[in-house]
Amino acid sequence: DTAVSQTPKYLVTQMGNDKSIKCEQNLGHDTMYWYKQDSKKFLKIMFSYNNKELIINETVPNRFSPKSPDKAHLNLHINSLELGDSAVYFCASSRFMGQVSYEQYFGPGTRLTVT
Amino acid sequence: LAKTTQPISMDSYEGQEVNITCSHNNIATNDYITWYQQFPSQGPRFIIQGYKTKVTNEVASLFIPADRKSSTLSLPRVSLSDTAVYYCLVGDLNTGRRALTFGSGTRLQVQP
Repeated sequence: DTAVSQTPKYLVTQMGNDKSIKCEQNLGHDTMYWYKQDSKKFLKIMFSYNNKELIINETVPNRFSPKSPDKAHLNLHINSLELGDSAVYFCASSRFMGQVSYEQYFGPGTRLTVT
Repeated sequence: LAKTTQPISMDSYEGQEVNITCSHNNIATNDYITWYQQFPSQGPRFIIQGYKTKVTNEVASLFIPADRKSSTLSLPRVSLSDTAVYYCLVGDLNTGRRALTFGSGTRLQVQP
């Protein structure tokens, strides 16, 4: 009965590879997010989707491409991985009613290590 | 984007009240203030959210002065399990116009 799940939990890969991280929520939320937490623990939003539509796209390299096949899923694909991409990536979801988005529920995170 | 500033760390003892203050001098009219708690190797967890004055729930209280340039998260009678990093988040909940920015976080260590 996990609310927000991410796979994989750990991902170790080499520079230049392409990888994907999957996220699923069973809370019935219509807004999902991707965050990056670096080694200094700064948590920074990358993308947000509302009803499968991209609504936040922060200054993120084009190598990062989110895909939302439906409201319950938001996947993150990363091309040509670089050392600096090593971080923990969190998926989150929330309700979005009218003009207001509510508290976010976070997944357990995916620790990406690029060697 | 509204930038937030929090103390890097705080220490407390079990049973004490802990107040963590976050500064957000350039908060915008539409911005809400939200606090999250994060344990090691876990995603952040929502604690409380407010716009002005005082908000209280079963976990914490949030005090916001009239100018809204700061906010204080108050944890009553902390226990060892409250040891975590606490993030102050200021953002326009009308997503699509402003992004959501977490502060650097305050690492709270509760001692027995």
